[in-house]
Amino acid sequence: SQQGEEDPQALSIQEGENATMNCSYKTSINNLQWYRQNSGRGLVHLILIRSNEREKHSGRLRVTLDTSKKSSSLLITASRAADTASYFCATTGLAQGAQKLVFGQGTRLTINP
Amino acid sequence: ETGVTQTPRHLVMGMTNKKSLKCEQHLGHNAMYWYKQSAKKPLELMFVYSLEERVENNSVPSRFSPECPNSSHLFLHLHTLQPEDSALYLCASSQDHLAGRGEQFFGPGTRLTVL
Repeated sequence: SQQGEEDPQALSIQEGENATMNCSYKTSINNLQWYRQNSGRGLVHLILIRSNEREKHSGRLRVTLDTSKKSSSLLITASRAADTASYFCATTGLAQGAQKLVFGQGTRLTINP
Repeated sequence: ETGVTQTPRHLVMGMTNKKSLKCEQHLGHNAMYWYKQSAKKPLELMFVYSLEERVENNSVPSRFSPECPNSSHLFLHLHTLQPEDSALYLCASSQDHLAGRGEQFFGPGTRLTVL
């Protein structure tokens, strides 16, 4: 299975601090994506990083990818209360065919005011 | 708003009922997906449709029956469900279904409770 696994499972920090979440996976990938989910709602795509990229930025988000270690990290800088949500990494494999996003179990992030 | 809508948002049904979940995407995408999200389990892919053809069926029990009448609409017909089928059912769409082509856009989900 190429299932991603996020670490930590839960993270609680103060507003203004930076939050770092990690993701590990098992097989070779085409790309890795990060999604956010507010409680009981749908997922929102945050950022996609391809297997030949090492780092990507989007606003306060910074994603790194280390294919040799099969791991990725998501950094949220200057966190805000609105960043409170669950964060999931998802991978797509190299095999041709239907796009199968394989999700991890997520990191529950709580930003305390 | 992601451009993907789902109805109903909440559904309670008995094990002998028949109900349907509806998903509609307004993004002009060619691929649509059904996922199941249960408590304490990763999101599970159920079905993938591309241009109204089913291209993936992830060993889902026959009590779940998908239907894709056109590239904008996707249904999940439910019958004789079990209590363990209670979950959040998420619909998503993407530009196409080929691996590595980009992100998926999710609807808000239907919270299903089977009594």
